[in-house]
Parts: sequence; structure tokens; C-alpha cells
Amino acid sequence: QLQLQESGPGLVKPSETLSLSCSVSGGSISSSSYYWGWIRQPPGKGLEWIGSIYYSGSTYYNPSLESRVTISVDTSKNQFSLKLSSVTAADTAVYYCARIDSSGYLPLDYWGQGTLVTVSS
Amino acid sequence: SSELTQDPAVSVALGQTVRITCQGDSLRTYYTTWYQQKPGQAPILVIYGRNNRPSGIPDRFSGSSSGNTASLTITGAQAEDEADYYCNSRDSSANHHVVFGGGTKLTVL
Repeated sequence: QLQLQESGPGLVKPSETLSLSCSVSGGSISSSSYYWGWIRQPPGKGLEWIGSIYYSGSTYYNPSLESRVTISVDTSKNQFSLKLSSVTAADTAVYYCARIDSSGYLPLDYWGQGTLVTVSS
Repeated sequence: SSELTQDPAVSVALGQTVRITCQGDSLRTYYTTWYQQKPGQAPILVIYGRNNRPSGIPDRFSGSSSGNTASLTITGAQAEDEADYYCNSRDSSANHHVVFGGGTKLTVL
């Protein structure tokens, strides 16, 4: 059974960079059938796709966040990572990592449990 | 980028049938995936593709689509179905991009 687990600091200061990692177990991140993505959910609000990465390193970002986002993959560790720079209180959210089927309509079939990141001084 | 539109809230009497809809131009081209999210939990996939359910999802959940509108139907809603429901699909205007609907809060009365 595939499992994804987010890790990283739960508190980040304004203007600093948020950094999270997602460890994948029970399957290979190098599969050509999937992307690996980051999604966030501010408290009481809906889901927002942040971006996705293919095992080859190709990246795709939400245009509203693209200038501040970097997603990378480490196939040797079977994990991928998110960096979001110049954070503000508006970036406070639960951050999820997920597997995205690359066929057609991009369903997200496996999700991590999510990790709350609070931006505050 | 494309947008998906959902009604913010829907209610249903226990045991009755409810339909939750999702509208967007990308749905004319791509299937919709539906997710259920309960408070404090990660979303789980309940319907994908034409009308497919992962193992463990009750058969009272079904999906359909017509034109630019996709629907999630719960036939005989149960108390445990009270949750937020989100649709998602591929952005038809930006390849490889994912788009989510704003979510529908389902209340079972």
C-alpha cells in the first residue's frame, strides 16, 4: 500500500522560506505513470493545487504561486520537496503531498495526512 | 487557467438522494474526480473516471457527467456521509495543471 508522509517545520516566520518534504513508501517515485504534487488548504477554506513534479524533474506550478515555488525530486531517497519563499500569514495552511495519475484527467489517488504550517513571528 | 464551480453547501435528509455538482469548461474534455473530506482528515478519492469507485467506497456513491457539468450522487445518504466534497480535473487551458472546485459542504439532516 502506497504511503506518503509530509515532514518539516510547523512554524515559519514571515518573509522566510517554507520547506517541506514528502517521503514515499510502498512504491517508486520513479514510475512514469505518476506525477507527485503539493496541495494546500488554509484553515476553513478549500483545496489549492500548488504544483507537481515528474520523476524526470519536469515541474508544473500554479500560476498564482509560481514566482515563489520550487518543487524538486530526489529519486535516490524516494521523496520530493516543496519550497515556498517570502511567506506571509496568507500561506498558513495544511500542506498535503499526493500522487497524481498522469493519465488524462489527473486524479490524486493517494494523499499524505497533511501537515499544518503556521506563518507567524 | 480553468475554474471549477461548486455550490458551497447542500443538505439532504437521512436516507434520501442528493446530487452535488461541479461545473467548468475543462469538464467538456476531461473526467472529474471526486473527493470526500471529513474534519481534520485528508481528502479521500471516492469517484474517478467515467464512474469508478475505489475499493472500500460504498456503492451508494456514483458519478455522472453531461457537457460542462459533473455530478456526484449519493443514493440513500447516511450520517457518515456528512463531509466536504471536492471535484478536480485537468486544466484544459494549461497542460499538466490540476484544478479544484471550491468544495461543497454536505449536511445530512
